[in-house]
Amino acid sequence: AQKITQTQPGMFVQEKEAVTLDCTYDTSDPSYGLFWYKQPSSGEMIFLIYQGSYDQQNATEGRYSLNFQKARKSANLVISASQLGDSAMYFCAIQIGFGNEKLTFGTGTRLTIIP
Amino acid sequence: ETGVTQSPTHLIKTRGQQVTLRCSSQSGHNTVSWYQQALGQGPQFIFQYYREEENGRGNFPPRFSGLQFPNYSSELNVNALELDDSALYLCASSSLLVGGYNEQFFGPGTRLTVL
Repeated sequence: AQKITQTQPGMFVQEKEAVTLDCTYDTSDPSYGLFWYKQPSSGEMIFLIYQGSYDQQNATEGRYSLNFQKARKSANLVISASQLGDSAMYFCAIQIGFGNEKLTFGTGTRLTIIP
Repeated sequence: ETGVTQSPTHLIKTRGQQVTLRCSSQSGHNTVSWYQQALGQGPQFIFQYYREEENGRGNFPPRFSGLQFPNYSSELNVNALELDDSALYLCASSSLLVGGYNEQFFGPGTRLTVL
């Protein structure tokens, strides 16, 4: 069975600094997708970025980038120039195989941006 | 484009009761997934519906059941409520792609409290 590990329960970062949120995964399936979601206190999960297991380049979406190290099974999220609105819970998730929408989430990291 | 909506926002029930949660998918989406998120945890996959048929189920007992309607809206039913069922219930919709991965759009969730 697949598993996602997020080892940072909480992080405090100064506004405008870059921050890296760690995510490691475990699966024996060669085909998978990795996702990062942001969950503000309102509860809604907001999609940030996606990386496919066969993608050669690291994914980027605006201030978000994914540092994908396949051999180490890690998929860290990097947020550049952090903003106060980035304060939220961040979840890493994995989807195995095609045609299956099931996401397996980690336990999340609570990010707090300090002014 | 209308996003994913869920109702009700909050709900309080007592042990042994039954509850129905509702989800309206994003326009054009044919797949809906339900997740349970206990306090301080990541979301756990309950089940998924694709074109009105169950298309995958997580490790949840049969008292968790669902429906998807022709307009792709969905219901989650939980019978014989237990205290541990207290959680945020998230609905996510997407367009199932065979041979690819795609973003799931989450609703704001229903917070269920079982007393």
